[in-house]
Formats: sequence, structure tokens, C-alpha cells
Amino acid sequence: AQSVTQLGSHVSVSEGALVLLRCNYSSSVPPYLFWYVQYPNQGLQLLLKYTTGATLVKGINGFEAEFKKSETSFHLTKPSAHMSDAAEYFCAVSDLGGYQKVTFGTGTKLQVIP
Amino acid sequence: ETGVTQSPTHLIKTRGQQVTLRCSSQSGHNTVSWYQQALGQGPQFIFQYYREEENGRGNFPPRFSGLQFPNYSSELNVNALELDDSALYLCASSTGSGTGELFFGEGSRLTVL
Repeated sequence: AQSVTQLGSHVSVSEGALVLLRCNYSSSVPPYLFWYVQYPNQGLQLLLKYTTGATLVKGINGFEAEFKKSETSFHLTKPSAHMSDAAEYFCAVSDLGGYQKVTFGTGTKLQVIP
Repeated sequence: ETGVTQSPTHLIKTRGQQVTLRCSSQSGHNTVSWYQQALGQGPQFIFQYYREEENGRGNFPPRFSGLQFPNYSSELNVNALELDDSALYLCASSTGSGTGELFFGEGSRLTVL
């Protein structure tokens, strides 16, 4: 069975500071990994995804994530936080065992302090 | 190209009632998944429909059922509503290409009193 663990349900950073949101996964097969963002009262929007190939993945809004197989991690980073980055972020892993079940973590709420 | 649309956006029901939520998938997508997101939690997989057939289900009881229509739109039905069914119900469509990338609607917020 696949699973995702997000460390830290709430993270606060100052505007302009580095954003680091942590995600570790468990999967019995090579995983497809995702980060989604959810703004208040909205659905989820894909930030970036790792399928195969290059382990450093760049997404929208200046975010990137690095797939580290040895550490089973897929941490999300952004060099400089902006006020508009305040949202909830979900790490997810895809199960390719016959259908596209995507398993989400519990989420990390990012607060950006001016 | 239209995105995923869901209706209604908000609704209130009482325990024991039944509810139907609707979803129109993004153009070109043949797969629809439904997720339940309780307050403060991540989305939980309910089930998935591919070409009008259910082809995967999460840990939800049979009173959660669904349909997919020939135009790939979908319905989620919940019978005998319980207080714990209060949540945001998210529909997501995808191409069935196997990468797992989902395109979400804005959800239907269900409150059960």
C-alpha cells in the first residue's frame, strides 16, 4: 500500500524567506509523486509532478521539488516566499496498480508573515 | 476548454437523507475520481470511474455510490447520511494516461445536521 507523510501541519515563514515543506512517501513500486496547492474554499491545483527522469522538478509559481529515492522524500521548496503563497499544500503519490488512485497526505498549511 | 465543474457548491441535509452531487469533467478526460475532504484533512479517495465503469474504490461503505455517463460526467450519491459525512466533496478528472495527474473542481460542501 502507498502512503504519504507530511511533516508539520503548519509552517510559518517570513516574506522573502525560504519555503521548505517536507514529504516522505511509501510505495512498493516506483512512484509518481505530486504536490498540489489548495486556496481557501477552492479545489486543488497541481503545482508539480515527478514521473520519471530528472529528479529535480520545477513547477508553477517558482516552486520546485526533488525526488530522493534513497530518502523516500519529495520535499517542496521555494527560494523566496510571497504573501500569495499562503495556502495549504498536499503531497500525493499515485498507485498505478490497475487504476489511478492518488493518495494524499494530511496537508501543510503555509503562513507567510509580512 | 472548460475545466471541471461541480454542483451544487453548498448544501445542507439532515441525518438519514440522501444527496446527489454532480460533476462535469474537463474536455477530453474520460476518467473521474471522487474524494472526500473532511475539515483539516487531506482528500480521501472514494472511487473512480473510467468509461462508465467503477474501476477502483477506497474504504467507503456501499451507501456511497456513483455513476458515470456517456459524456463522462459523473454523479456521487450518498444514502442514509450521517453527521460524519459532512465534508468537501471533490471531483477530479483525468485522461486515463496513467500518470495520475488530476484536475479538480472547486468541490461541493455538504453539511449534515
